[in-house]
Amino acid sequence: GAGVSQTPSNKVTEKGKYVELRCDPISGHTALYWYRQSLGQGPEFLIYFQGTGAADDSGLPNDRFFAVRPEGSVSTLKIQRTERGDSAVYLCASSPTPGQGIGDTQYFGPGTRLTVL
Amino acid sequence: AQSVAQPEDQVNVAEGNPLTVKCTYSVSGNPYLFWYVQYPNRGLQFLLKYITGDNLVKGSYGFEAEFNKSQTSFHLKKPSALVSDSALYFCAVRDMGTGGFKTIFGAGTRLFVKA
Repeated sequence: GAGVSQTPSNKVTEKGKYVELRCDPISGHTALYWYRQSLGQGPEFLIYFQGTGAADDSGLPNDRFFAVRPEGSVSTLKIQRTERGDSAVYLCASSPTPGQGIGDTQYFGPGTRLTVL
Repeated sequence: AQSVAQPEDQVNVAEGNPLTVKCTYSVSGNPYLFWYVQYPNRGLQFLLKYITGDNLVKGSYGFEAEFNKSQTSFHLKKPSALVSDSALYFCAVRDMGTGGFKTIFGAGTRLFVKA
């Protein structure tokens, strides 16, 4: 696995439904980030994991959003009771342990385009 | 709170001419600064970063950026633009003064290079 992978690439759901978005980081990367990118805007930080723990979840917009990384590798972003305003591209990135120069470079996946009807 | 501004929505330049994409930032401590590029239907790709040391940073595809602490700027430059450089460019900052790892991105600047 050369890069960060995200599944599904596209997800269409109805308002009020629950969705899960998956991120598979680069092997060996301890840091994992989730971002949300709306049309015409830059990525908006949601949450950062170092290993299994969420070290910074200050970007999660409300309690409908939750993310896990139980084994320190794959992460799942979960959105409950989806709203039309949640429609966006959800990006995942990984990096080696941050704060060590090389570790500060984030490698991004292709994203999951979520559409809430 | 940390922030990033990319004052130009779009930059147009002729192939072979130098290009500059502007970025200014605001942090409470020392900044880590990054440039990423996004091509159509492709993910964000890392171009270059400033962590410490030389203010002039060289990166991928002939791009470079200069960290200017007094002007709180980190403008992206290339001496001779190529049509293939046409893409969306994002500046990003991490505020090391907060001790956190939150990275804030600018809104992006679309670069058009005309043949």
